[in-house]
Amino acid sequence: GAGVSQSPRYKVAKRGQDVALRCDPISGHVSLFWYQQALGQGPEFLTYFQNEAQLDKSGLPSDRFFAERPEGSVSTLKIQRTQQEDSAVYLCASSRSGSADTQYFGPGTRLTVL
Amino acid sequence: RKEVEQDPGPFNVPEGATVAFNCTYSNSASQSFFWYRQDCRKEPKLLMSVYSSGNEDGRFTAQLNRASQYISLLIRDSKLSDSATYLCVVSYPRAGNTPLVFGKGTRLSVIA
Repeated sequence: GAGVSQSPRYKVAKRGQDVALRCDPISGHVSLFWYQQALGQGPEFLTYFQNEAQLDKSGLPSDRFFAERPEGSVSTLKIQRTQQEDSAVYLCASSRSGSADTQYFGPGTRLTVL
Repeated sequence: RKEVEQDPGPFNVPEGATVAFNCTYSNSASQSFFWYRQDCRKEPKLLMSVYSSGNEDGRFTAQLNRASQYISLLIRDSKLSDSATYLCVVSYPRAGNTPLVFGKGTRLSVIA
């Protein structure tokens, strides 16, 4: 079956622009996660949804970062007024039911802020 | 101090060699433990879960020492295709979530 998909795969933004990154989880997966992976680092947790409810957003680095999953399937991560330090790969993962289930990762969106 | 610490490497080993990676974690509440593999410019993929009794999957053996908060991965008979970054991962429940906490990864290059 289809895995997690993300779009766009690459995004270049000028500093100060807003960007929106999309994640399509595996069909029927209840849980959805966003992670940020800077160059040479491991992924770091940003936020977690169970269905449409955002249960944990403790990893979002600032109030410029906003995520939503209004219908409990597709999710969008929005970054307002992008800064150079936002340059990273943004990974989405989904799991079948609870957050402790195996997480399957999408290919990521590589964001470069100039 | 990072929650999960790994030697970043790189480890350069010849084909057929045995190589071991170690990892330590700081949160004693950690409940689940994993090794993920990440190829260059690709997403992380689960290699194996790590259990207290130790577990093996083909050429790969993982060990967990809860008392020392230490996880290891042993790869026997290395193949060229094993070249990748190996991420040590722990998780613990918090506030209704169980996010994965990743180390920086250890880079392995298997050389012909």
